[in-house]
Amino acid sequence: AQSVTQLGSHVSVSEGALVLLRCNYSSSVPPYLFWYVQYPNQGLQLLLKYTTGATLVKGINGFEAEFKKSETSFHLTKPSAHMSDAAEYFCAVSVLGSNYKLTFGKGTLLTVNP
Amino acid sequence: DAMVIQNPRYQVTQFGKPVTLSCSQTLNHNVMYWYQQKSSQAPKLLFHYYDKDFNNEADTPDNFQSRRPNTSFCFLDIRSPGLGDAAMYLCATRGSGGASYEQYFGPGTRLTVT
Repeated sequence: AQSVTQLGSHVSVSEGALVLLRCNYSSSVPPYLFWYVQYPNQGLQLLLKYTTGATLVKGINGFEAEFKKSETSFHLTKPSAHMSDAAEYFCAVSVLGSNYKLTFGKGTLLTVNP
Repeated sequence: DAMVIQNPRYQVTQFGKPVTLSCSQTLNHNVMYWYQQKSSQAPKLLFHYYDKDFNNEADTPDNFQSRRPNTSFCFLDIRSPGLGDAAMYLCATRGSGGASYEQYFGPGTRLTVT
């Protein structure tokens, strides 16, 4: 079975500062990894995904993440935080053969201070 | 735009009174998922359909049922809602052709049980 651990349930940054949200996964088979963002009372929006190939993936809104197999990590970064980035962020894993069911981490609430 | 639609966005029901939540999609995706997300928690998969094949998660209570009359629509029925079923219910879809790994989420239905 797969699992995801997101370190830090709440991260607070200043506007313009680096955003770093941490995600570690566990999987016995090659994983597919995702970051989703959720604004209050809304559904989940895909930020970016890693399936195969290039380990540094770029997503929407200036976010990117790097798949590091040796560290079983898929941390999300953005060079400069914007007020509109304040939201809940979920890291998720799926694998071939499970109908690509998503297993989510517990989420990280990002606060951006002016 | 192709999308996942959930109706209603907010639903209030009484304890024990059956309720049905609706999801429709214009993406023509084979797979449809239902998730339950309680406050400040990660989404939890209840069940999913691959075409007409229904796949229930082992820990989904019997109180939760689902119907998929055609490709476009999927319903979540809660036979006797309890106070603990108050949550956001998220519908998601995924295509099965090519490199279709990610799920597309609807905006969710927030269920209140009084």
